[in-house]
Amino acid sequence: GENVEQHPSTLSVQEGDSAVIKCTYSDSASNYFPWYKQELGKRPQLIIDIRSNVGEKKDQRIAVTLNKTAKHFSLHITETQPEDSAVYFCAAMGTGTASKLTFGTGTRLQVTL
Amino acid sequence: DTEVTQTPKHLVMGMTNKKSLKCEQHMGHRAMYWYKQKAKKPPELMFVYSYEKLSINESVPSRFSPECPNSSLLNLHLHALQPEDSALYLCASSQRASGSFAGELFFGEGSRLTVL
Repeated sequence: GENVEQHPSTLSVQEGDSAVIKCTYSDSASNYFPWYKQELGKRPQLIIDIRSNVGEKKDQRIAVTLNKTAKHFSLHITETQPEDSAVYFCAAMGTGTASKLTFGTGTRLQVTL
Repeated sequence: DTEVTQTPKHLVMGMTNKKSLKCEQHMGHRAMYWYKQKAKKPPELMFVYSYEKLSINESVPSRFSPECPNSSLLNLHLHALQPEDSALYLCASSQRASGSFAGELFFGEGSRLTVL
């Protein structure tokens, strides 16, 4: 089955700096890569996603890049703000009779003033 | 309406109790999911229903029994649970669970279960 690795497990940045979180996946058939933000006690919320036919996608301060050859994808957050502090999960989903979303282990992002 | 609604938000039960978690969506999604999330861990898939049929059971113990009465509802029946089953149980839905792209997963707020 799919295996998703995520690094780093914790990340501390100063407000205004950029943050980068990286993930690798194992199943070359995976074709959908969402990123979720989860605040303490809340549900995972989709912040950006990318499909395998696209190499990069941007939404305001958030961008995701995908390298299908190397089987890795990254989340970039620019001009970080304290409200960006949360746990971020990458995930990968393949095709088939029942698509499964496999999550990475999570990155705890702390944005300090 | 892009909401997945889960009830109850909190549940405390003893090891001999029988209880149920409920999930509802009205987005016309034909795939529904149960995930279990322990503290500081990612969500782990338990079950997938596609067109009201169970399509994936991730080797979940039989003390967890899923049910999909119709395309909008998903239940998780709990019986004889163990303290280690205490976790946040997340329901999710997507347009479908097969084909080239299942669509974005929408998560409910979760039911926080404590087993005493």
